[in-house]
Amino acid sequence: KAGVTQTPRYLIKTRGQQVTLSCSPISGHRSVSWYQQTPGQGLQFLFEYFSETQRNKGNFPGRFSGRQFSNSRSEMNVSTLELGDSALYLCASSLVQGPSSGANVLTFGAGSRLTVL
Amino acid sequence: AQKITQTQPGMFVQEKEAVTLDCTYDTSDQSYGLFWYKQPSSGEMIFLIYQGSYDEQNATEGRYSLNFQKARKSANLVISASQLGDSAMYFCAMREGRSNDYKLSFGAGTTVTVRA
Repeated sequence: KAGVTQTPRYLIKTRGQQVTLSCSPISGHRSVSWYQQTPGQGLQFLFEYFSETQRNKGNFPGRFSGRQFSNSRSEMNVSTLELGDSALYLCASSLVQGPSSGANVLTFGAGSRLTVL
Repeated sequence: AQKITQTQPGMFVQEKEAVTLDCTYDTSDQSYGLFWYKQPSSGEMIFLIYQGSYDEQNATEGRYSLNFQKARKSANLVISASQLGDSAMYFCAMREGRSNDYKLSFGAGTTVTVRA
């Protein structure tokens, strides 16, 4: 079964531009989460979507936004890029079961590595 | 305050030996889940093992086992019989509460280098 697919894998942008990253979850997974990974801040939660609704949001400025489509695919957008937005952006999907179920494991994609010049 | 603390930035281990990666966590929730992920240089996060706060037995998955000490809020990962392919960054993570929100808090990670 196909894993979590993220596109593009690598991209270079300049300050002030905007970028859209795409994530296709594992078939049947309805929850999609996004994380930012940088050497300085580590892995930080951006947001999580379920059934096209944002259920949780991390502590990021409004320049970071996302959405989820009816087929569970998700996109995240960063507008007015800053140098500090250079990072690996990881998407993860999860099969939604009971809240304490060990099956609620996040399966991650390979990430989109964004470089802002 | 840090929710997940991994105090070992890097470790070296000899092939075929066991290695223990430390993880302590901080939460006031009674229900939570603890996860370990492996991140090779390719960047993809690979799930290794899960421990629920109410699980009475320590979790095991093949060569991975989790030494869960609830009173000490510790969830150390033990990798037995290390292989060269185990060289990677390892992250401890926690999901708090009984909600269906899938937010994980990650530690800073530990880099493991396996020597032949």
